[in-house]
Parts: sequence; C-alpha cells; structure tokens
Amino acid sequence: SAVISQKPSRDICQRGTSLTIQCQVDSQVTMMFWYRQQPGQSLTLIATANQGSEATYESGFVIDKFPISRPNLTFSTLTVSNMSPEDSSIYLCSVVVNSYEQYFGPGTRLTVT
Amino acid sequence: SQQGEEDPQALSIQEGENATMNCSYKTSINNLQWYRQNSGRGLVHLILIRSNEREKHSGRLRVTLDTSKKSSSLLITASRAADTASYFCATDANFGNEKLTFGTGTRLTIIP
Repeated sequence: SAVISQKPSRDICQRGTSLTIQCQVDSQVTMMFWYRQQPGQSLTLIATANQGSEATYESGFVIDKFPISRPNLTFSTLTVSNMSPEDSSIYLCSVVVNSYEQYFGPGTRLTVT
Repeated sequence: SQQGEEDPQALSIQEGENATMNCSYKTSINNLQWYRQNSGRGLVHLILIRSNEREKHSGRLRVTLDTSKKSSSLLITASRAADTASYFCATDANFGNEKLTFGTGTRLTIIP
C-alpha cells in the first residue's frame, strides 16, 4: 500500500476565489489521479496527473478550471479555480501500487459560499 | 458517466448478520476493486479481484466476480457496528489503463 496525505483536509472558500490542494505520497508512484465526489454522490475522475507533462482531463473537466501540477513522482497539486457553490465537493487524489491496486488520500472537503 | 450500479442503495442489518452488496458494470474490465468510505472521508481499499478470478477472500470479506453477467458481489460476514459505511465498487477497463469508474455505492448500516 501507500501512505497518502492531502492538504488542506477541509476549507470554506468564497465564490470566485481559487484553492490549491496538495497530495503527497510516501513513495514514488507512476500513476496518480484526481477525483471529485459531489455531495451524496459517487466518485468521478477529473484527470490523470502526469509527471513532467500536462495532465490528461476527462470529459467535462478542463485545464483552466482544474489546473494540475505533477513536478515529481511523489507530489501533485489540484487547483479549483474561480469557484462557485457547484464546486463544493470532496476532492481525492489516488495512486496505483501493487499491480493495479489503487489507494486514495483522505480527501479535501471543499465548501464554496 | 457512471459505469456501474450497486444494489441495494441502502441496507440495514442487525449486528452479527451477513451483508451482501451487488455491483453491476457495463463494459469489459481488467480488475474490479471494492472500497469502504466512512462518513464522507477517504476511501479505504478493501480488495481487488482480477477479471480471470471468480472469488477472493480477505478476513470477513468475500468477493465474487461473474464476468459473463458483468457483476460482482461483496459479502461481509458477522457484521460489526464498525462496518457501518458506504461501499463502492470500481472498475478499470480492459485496455490497460488504471482509471477507475465507480458504482453508485451502497450505504450499509449495522444496528447494534
């Protein structure tokens, strides 16, 4: 398995501002992802965080809204830009280890007012 | 869009009973994983079953996979109050990437 930490664990932000979420892993991993979980819903993949290149976004998610950095194999950031109340969600990073097993961070609970 | 659906959406049982949750998916898969989520926190990885496996055990957990029916089940035996949580299945597609598509989840409540 892997130990994954996220910062912040939660935040309350005002409409129109941006928040950057950090994800740190205790070992080098190739595959890292960012997911969103809207209230009462399941998880939806936002993007694959690629080390040394631009992230790969899923349908419905764009770089201008969710810029992602992956400077090395243990760290990534997700920014939620120009927030609106609809962005209120839990944001989770995940990594793949041990032949396809995917482990998740504790999540960042974002509330936009 | 969500690939899978889970059934039932919510389940309440007495402590000590067994709990069974089902997951269906729509396309060919490489692997299927089950997760537990307590009160909107992070996901805890429970078990991974590969497409060429039919059954897997881990402690009180038993997972089955039927690729012909595109379905999986998670059985929790001798349930405990601490098992109260939401349970999700997640699949990765057969073409070798690890992106997960999640089911809708089952909310399990264990009544002491």
